[in-house]
Amino acid sequence: KAGVTQTPRYLIKTRGQQVTLSCSPISGHRSVSWYQQTPGQGLQFLFEYFSETQRNKGNFPGRFSGRQFSNSRSEMNVSTLELGDSALYLCASSLAFPNYEQYFGPGTRLTVT
Amino acid sequence: AQTVTQSQPEMSVQEAETVTLSCTYDTSESDYYLFWYKQPPSRQMILVIRQEAYKQQNATENRFSVNFQKAAKSFSLKISDSQLGDAAMYFCAYRSNTGNQFYFGTGTSLTVIP
Repeated sequence: KAGVTQTPRYLIKTRGQQVTLSCSPISGHRSVSWYQQTPGQGLQFLFEYFSETQRNKGNFPGRFSGRQFSNSRSEMNVSTLELGDSALYLCASSLAFPNYEQYFGPGTRLTVT
Repeated sequence: AQTVTQSQPEMSVQEAETVTLSCTYDTSESDYYLFWYKQPPSRQMILVIRQEAYKQQNATENRFSVNFQKAAKSFSLKISDSQLGDAAMYFCAYRSNTGNQFYFGTGTSLTVIP
């Protein structure tokens, strides 16, 4: 089975711009979660989608949004980028109940200048 | 909200030796899952081991084993016969049986010395 894929792998944007990141889960996985990873804060949960519905949301401003499509692929959007948004954005998929294991993608490295 | 604490930002171990990484968590729930993930320098996060809170027996996966102390809310990872490929950042994670969110610790960077 193919693993979780994320595109693009690297991205450089300037302040004020917006960005869209994409995640394709493992085939058959219906839950997709997004995390922001920074050296100082570790992994912070952004949100989780299941069957096109957002089930959980972390403590991030409204500039961070996401969606999930009927094929379980998910996108994450960040508007009005700030320097502090520079991070590795990780996507993880799982089968959801009763399987609680998450499988991670390689991440998208976003640099905001 | 649940919190996961990894008090060792960095650890090192001699090749072929044993090392233990610590993790504590705070929760009022009785049923939950605990995980250790490994993130090598290539950045792909990999599941190392999983423990169900209702199971008293500690989980084991080859050279990796855990010491799960439910009353103490402690979940340490023991790596035996350490190999160079074990060098990575290790994250402890918690997930409740009712929620869908994972809570991660801040990670422990493990160096393996040849």
